[in-house]
Amino acid sequence: GAVVSQHPSRVICKSGTSVKIECRSLDFQATTMFWYRQFPKQSLMLMATSNEGSKATYEQGVEKDKFLINHASLTLSTLTVTSAHPEDSSFYICSPDRGSEAFFGQGTRLTVV
Amino acid sequence: EDQVTQSPEALRLQEGESSSLNCSYTVSGLRGLFWYRQDPGKGPEFLFTLYSAGEEKEKERLKATLTKKESFLHITAPKPEDSATYLCAVQAGANNLFFGTGTRLTVIP
Repeated sequence: GAVVSQHPSRVICKSGTSVKIECRSLDFQATTMFWYRQFPKQSLMLMATSNEGSKATYEQGVEKDKFLINHASLTLSTLTVTSAHPEDSSFYICSPDRGSEAFFGQGTRLTVV
Repeated sequence: EDQVTQSPEALRLQEGESSSLNCSYTVSGLRGLFWYRQDPGKGPEFLFTLYSAGEEKEKERLKATLTKKESFLHITAPKPEDSATYLCAVQAGANNLFFGTGTRLTVIP
């Protein structure tokens, strides 16, 4: 399968601070990266789609000013959770767009205290 | 609206006791149906992609099948290491996936 490196795997932050999550596609040049999140006992839900060299697109109900996405290169996309609040605590996972294939990073467990 | 429903929500099996997990879907223009295994605190691990009704794929103790309305993941003679959450997802118009809530499988030695 594809190699997708996501970092950090776990992070605990104080309410009001920002957290950056990195996702690297190590064996594939991804012009598009999907970002999902998963709340406890719920399914993975698409949050946003990042595009190299252009603005990200966000799903309904996802605040673009809170979840900043930067797709700096064909192998790196970052998600920054700004002014995090306890309700942002979740499991965030990235997946490079490979057409009919779909592989995922290891995920980032964010806990906001 | 796309819908993916997985059942049962949780399943406990004795080691060696075969069973099936179900994934029912309603989607316009199915391009692919994906099965993943997810361990606690980890990202989904790819198992299978099925593209058309009647298709079957096998890997070790797992076999996935697809009809026009649902997919089954059959587990033959499971072992404790098969314990995980199994996720089903569909790909329709766009390349992103739409997931079900998963079946949490526990295999008891």
